[in-house]
Amino acid sequence: SQKIEQNSEALNIQEGKTATLTCNYTNYSPAYLQWYRQDPGRGPVFLLLIRENEKEKRKERLKVTFDTTLKQSLFHITASQPADSATYLCARPRGDDYKLSFGAGTTVTVRA
Amino acid sequence: DAGVIQSPRHEVTEMGQEVTLRCKPISGHDYLFWYRQTMMRGLELLIYFNNNVPIDDSGMPEDRFSAKMPNASFSTLKIQPSEPRDSAVYFCASSPADSYEQYFGPGTRLTVT
Repeated sequence: SQKIEQNSEALNIQEGKTATLTCNYTNYSPAYLQWYRQDPGRGPVFLLLIRENEKEKRKERLKVTFDTTLKQSLFHITASQPADSATYLCARPRGDDYKLSFGAGTTVTVRA
Repeated sequence: DAGVIQSPRHEVTEMGQEVTLRCKPISGHDYLFWYRQTMMRGLELLIYFNNNVPIDDSGMPEDRFSAKMPNASFSTLKIQPSEPRDSAVYFCASSPADSYEQYFGPGTRLTVT
């Protein structure tokens, strides 16, 4: 089966530091991976999509990498702020390009 | 645009009752998805539609669940009869044809007692 796993359930970091989240997948490399942010009581919000042929993608203080050899994506939040505290979900297509499987999420808490 | 709209936001019902959840996708989006989120199982895809046609319902847990999309601006997810194990947050999401990004609604928190 095409699994997707986020290694850490929780990550606590000091404001200003870089948070690094890991997402591992099994079987064949997907055409892309996506990252979402979810705040308590709200629906997930799309952040970034990285394609299989892209090694790295950036958006403001966010950076995502895609390593097909390690079957892994890393999600970095640089210069973290308390407002970055949320749960971050990674997702991969499963079966077809529109059907997503989500990881369990990593809850990030940024301490002031 | 107002984003994806879901109603009700909260639903409390007794076991055996019928529950109908509603969703209005973002105008112009061709894809509509229904998800369920629980602590134990995370976010799971139940069914998705393309241009109002159900494409994949393999995630629907059992025959008690059904979904319809009578037009491009409205979809329903029905549970009949409801059971306590159906308690979860149900999300609707939509996506444009030229993108894989999904836009989620605020969710409906369902409690079946």
